[in-house]
Amino acid sequence: GENVEQHPSTLSVQEGDSAVIKCTYSDSASNYFPWYKQELGKGPQLIIDIRSNVGEKKDQRIAVTLNKTAKHFSLHITETQPEDSAVYFCAPAPYGNKLVFGAGTILRVKS
Amino acid sequence: GAVVSQHPSWVICKSGTSVKIECRSLDFQATTMFWYRQFPKQSLMLMATSNEGSKATYEQGVEKDKFLINHASLTLSTLTVTSAHPEDSSFYICSARDRTGAAYEQYFGPGTRLTVT
Repeated sequence: GENVEQHPSTLSVQEGDSAVIKCTYSDSASNYFPWYKQELGKGPQLIIDIRSNVGEKKDQRIAVTLNKTAKHFSLHITETQPEDSAVYFCAPAPYGNKLVFGAGTILRVKS
Repeated sequence: GAVVSQHPSWVICKSGTSVKIECRSLDFQATTMFWYRQFPKQSLMLMATSNEGSKATYEQGVEKDKFLINHASLTLSTLTVTSAHPEDSSFYICSARDRTGAAYEQYFGPGTRLTVT
């Protein structure tokens, strides 16, 4: 089965700084790489995802980079804002298969 | 688009009783729905996968007789926690896969907080 590791577990940044969260996976069959944001008491919300045939994807302040050879992908948030404070989860999966969630990263953006 | 709702959003029940949680896809048809459980400060753990019109597939360690899942239509799946105990208190989250969308996308509901007293 898929083993997923997420680092760091907690990340504190100053407002306006960048934040990077890394996700390492074990299943070479994985070809879908999403990142979810979960606010307290709510369900996870997909913020960005990437397929294995693409190395990088960007959506305004958020980007995801994928290194399939090394089996890791990262979430990059630039110009962080207090509303970015949340728990972020990676959840790699093989095509059409179930998501396997990482342990989560608590991001705190200090204003 | 791609909205998933859950009802109720929170529920308190007494130990030994059963409680039903509904998961609905509001603007799409979902051939597959997933049920997750999340304990405080932990990640989401998949409990079971349900396909419309067939029996659910449970993950290892999840008691199928305790967590009854029914996916009777393309827009509704239910999770019934039978004979609930305090250790079943958790945040239950469902997700749905659009039958016409990409096979890998899942849309998550807002979650149901279950407290068993």
